Amino acid sequence: AQSVTQLGSHVSVSEGALVLLRCNYSSSVPPYLFWYVQYPNQGLQLLLKYTTGATLVKGINGFEAEFKKSETSFHLTKPSAHMSDAAEYFCAVSDADGNKLVFGAGTILRVKS
Amino acid sequence: KAGVTQTPRYLIKTRGQQVTLSCSPISGHRSVSWYQQTPGQGLQFLFEYFSETQRNKGNFPGRFSGRQFSNSRSEMNVSTLELGDSALYLCASSFTGEKLFFGSGTQLSVL
Repeated sequence: AQSVTQLGSHVSVSEGALVLLRCNYSSSVPPYLFWYVQYPNQGLQLLLKYTTGATLVKGINGFEAEFKKSETSFHLTKPSAHMSDAAEYFCAVSDADGNKLVFGAGTILRVKS
Repeated sequence: KAGVTQTPRYLIKTRGQQVTLSCSPISGHRSVSWYQQTPGQGLQFLFEYFSETQRNKGNFPGRFSGRQFSNSRSEMNVSTLELGDSALYLCASSFTGEKLFFGSGTQLSVL
């Protein structure tokens, strides 16, 4: 069965600092991996996805993630945090069809001014 | 292009009642998925419909059901509501299956 572990339920960074949100996955098949963001009282928005090919994936709003098969990790980074990045972030894994996502517990990102 | 529309936005029901939630996907999207989000269990997959057929199902009791119409609009129904069914129910649509577009959800409170 597929599963996702997000390390740290809350992460706090200063504005302009590096953002690093950690995600480890477990999958018996080559995974599809996703990062979603959820702002208060809203649905989820796709930040980026990894299917096959290049292991460094660039997404929207300056975010990127690196797929490391040897470490079964898919950490999300952004070089410089902005106040508008404050939200909850979810890592997710799916099998090939991509429609049945297994989500991590989420990480709430706080950005301090 | 309009996004995924879920109605109603908020719903209050009492235990034992049933409820129907509606989801209109993005035009042209034939796949609709439903997720339940709670503080305790997080985001959990309920089911997915494609061209009016249930293609995937999560681990929820039979009280949770859904359907999809020929215009791709979908409804989910929860019968005999329990307090633990209080949650944000999210609908997502997709065209290719690799990218889901989520609605803002229906917040269901069971009293």
